Amino acid sequence: DADVTQTPRNRITKTGKRIMLECSQTKGHDRMYWYRQDPGLGLRLIYYSFDVKDINKGEISDGYSVSRQAQAKFSLSLESAIPNQTALYFCATSDTSGGQKDTQYFGPGTRLTVL
Amino acid sequence: ELKVEQNPLFLSMQEGKNYTIYCNYSTTSDRLYWYRQDPGKSLESLFVLLSNGAVKQEGRLMASLDTKARLSTLHITAAVHDLSATYFCAVDDGYGGATNKLIFGTGTLLAVQP
Repeated sequence: DADVTQTPRNRITKTGKRIMLECSQTKGHDRMYWYRQDPGLGLRLIYYSFDVKDINKGEISDGYSVSRQAQAKFSLSLESAIPNQTALYFCATSDTSGGQKDTQYFGPGTRLTVL
Repeated sequence: ELKVEQNPLFLSMQEGKNYTIYCNYSTTSDRLYWYRQDPGKSLESLFVLLSNGAVKQEGRLMASLDTKARLSTLHITAAVHDLSATYFCAVDDGYGGATNKLIFGTGTLLAVQP
């Protein structure tokens, strides 16, 4: 089983709809992240959470919200989707112990299309 | 504000050749990561570079970090087709300890021709 899972993997929706993307991890990591990837722009950080009670805005948080329901679950919501939120969304996790200190491990991604 | 630039953005090379991908960043940091992404796939961690002068090697790939020059390189030795992918560098937006806020470069699409 994958350590970081994302659902759904693909989603097509219409402008104005509310969308939730979910991320779950079995790695036992405290820290979780949401990124979006656009062609030619690399990945940009939307929100990050260092534990259940600690949530922080990233580079591009406008139009998004998040919820950390448990250590293993971190959800991203688009309250009212717009076409320029069409992108590939990645969830990632990290911890601060071990030889790969602070390395972020990425989920498989969710491809979101807003019409 | 930390900015990360990679070059080249696209690299077509023949099998057996050597080449280097460059990652420059604009503000002080002492923590840099390299990732690989295959088409339609997620990102896979390649290297973590944690200090000035750090060098890591895995197979045909070698990464180094010069924090004074704010430069990391990813060197490819005797390229093979299986190395075709997009390579990203990511820099931690902090110094003297990780913030875990990563700023990514735009990526280098590497195509190794047989």
